[in-house]
Amino acid sequence: QQQVKQSPQSLIVQKGGISIINCAYENTAFDYFPWYQQFPGKGPALLIAIRPDVSEKKEGRFTISFNKSAKQFSLHIMDSQPGDSATYFCAASGGLGNTPLVFGKGTRLSVIA
Amino acid sequence: DTGVSQNPRHKITKRGQNVTFRCDPISEHNRLYWYRQTLGQGPEFLTYFQNEAQLEKSRLLSDRFSAERPKGSFSTLEIQRTEQGDSAMYLCASSFGGVRSPLHFGNGTRLTVT
Repeated sequence: QQQVKQSPQSLIVQKGGISIINCAYENTAFDYFPWYQQFPGKGPALLIAIRPDVSEKKEGRFTISFNKSAKQFSLHIMDSQPGDSATYFCAASGGLGNTPLVFGKGTRLSVIA
Repeated sequence: DTGVSQNPRHKITKRGQNVTFRCDPISEHNRLYWYRQTLGQGPEFLTYFQNEAQLEKSRLLSDRFSAERPKGSFSTLEIQRTEQGDSAMYLCASSFGGVRSPLHFGNGTRLTVT
């Protein structure tokens, strides 16, 4: 059973546009929701993270929106740039069992000029 | 550079051989994680340590896999009697704190089993 489901699998966005990636989770006990960015040949790197006590968090051009009742969260990349072209993973962790991070399958983002 | 270091970067081995990977975490980090990533998939949790204690292993982790973290510093991941299905990127990550702390990943060891 996949604990974190991510969509879309791939995304093409024009330079300057908004990239939106969605994630849904199963375990209501999860209480930490990060997004990681991965470039080819590199390990994932933390981009931004949110706790369920807030509905939105913004850092520069990156925003996480969180909907606890729907068990969903999303990443918005404003003014997308070619340098944002990478694979993005949502993840979740926490709860009573202190579950380590479980990742979605990833979204490959291509920003074209 | 004080990031997470993994060696080797690439390993090609024949089916049935044993392989060992090494991870050097960020020095002040108390937690060390091993993940496996196959093409087109997200990282899959294998095991993690807090200092030298191995606290959790994935149920998916075969008994051919073993990990150690002597003295709470570097860690090794050994795969015995490798199979073609073991071909993947093996990622190490470290953190300071619990499961809600940011993970700092290394660039991985790519294993190819022929």
